[in-house]
Amino acid sequence: DTEVTQTPKHLVMGMTNKKSLKCEQHMGHRAMYWYKQKAKKPPELMFVYSYEKLSINESVPSRFSPECPNSSLLNLHLHALQPEDSALYLCASSQLLPGQGGEQYFGPGTRLTVT
Amino acid sequence: AQKITQTQPGMFVQEKEAVTLDCTYDTSDQSYGLFWYKQPSSGEMIFLIYQGSYDEQNATEGRYSLNFQKARKSANLVISASQLGDSAMYFCAMRETGNQFYFGTGTSLTVIP
Repeated sequence: DTEVTQTPKHLVMGMTNKKSLKCEQHMGHRAMYWYKQKAKKPPELMFVYSYEKLSINESVPSRFSPECPNSSLLNLHLHALQPEDSALYLCASSQLLPGQGGEQYFGPGTRLTVT
Repeated sequence: AQKITQTQPGMFVQEKEAVTLDCTYDTSDQSYGLFWYKQPSSGEMIFLIYQGSYDEQNATEGRYSLNFQKARKSANLVISASQLGDSAMYFCAMRETGNQFYFGTGTSLTVIP
C-alpha cells in the first residue's frame, strides 16, 4: 500500500480563521514532508520531519505550524493566513535511508483558498 | 546553482509516439537518487521511476524509461507509445544524502490525438 491520505481536499478560510490540514500514511515511513505548490510551479518544501522530529524548516512564516503526533500522522496548523497563502498543500512521506533511493509518495493535496 | 534543470517548459507529442523529457542535475555527492513524477491537473504527484547513482542499467517501468548519462549529469525520461492520459506536468527530482528532495521547474506535456 503506497497511499498517503490528506484531509480536507478543499478548504476556504478567512484571514482570521484557525484551521488544520491532516496527513496520514501507513507505509512505515519515518520521513514526512509538507510542500506548498502554486499553479504551474514545482512544489516548495516547507517542513521535514524525521523520526517525528522537525529536521528542516525552510524559513516558513509562523502562521504555519507543523505537528507530528506519531509516525503515521502529520498536521499543519494554519492561523491568520494571507491571500497569497492560497495554494495546493501537499504532504509526502519517504523511507529514511543513509544514502540514495527512497522515493517520496504524495497525498492528493489540499487546495487552500484564503479570502 | 540550480540542482535540477528542466529546459522544456512545454512539449507536444502525437498519440502513440515516443517523447523524451530532459533533465540535468548538479551535485557533488557520489550517492544520490533521481526521480520522475507526473502531476495531472487533479494535482496529485505520482511517482513514476527511480534511478540510483550507482545503478549501471537504465531504469524502466512499463512505458517509462530513464536515460541516465552520469558523466553528462542527465536523467531524461522517455515515454513510449504516448497516450492521451499522459498529458500532465512532469517533474524531475533528486535526493542527495539526507531527506531533502530538489525539484525541477517541470515540463508540461500535451498528447495530441
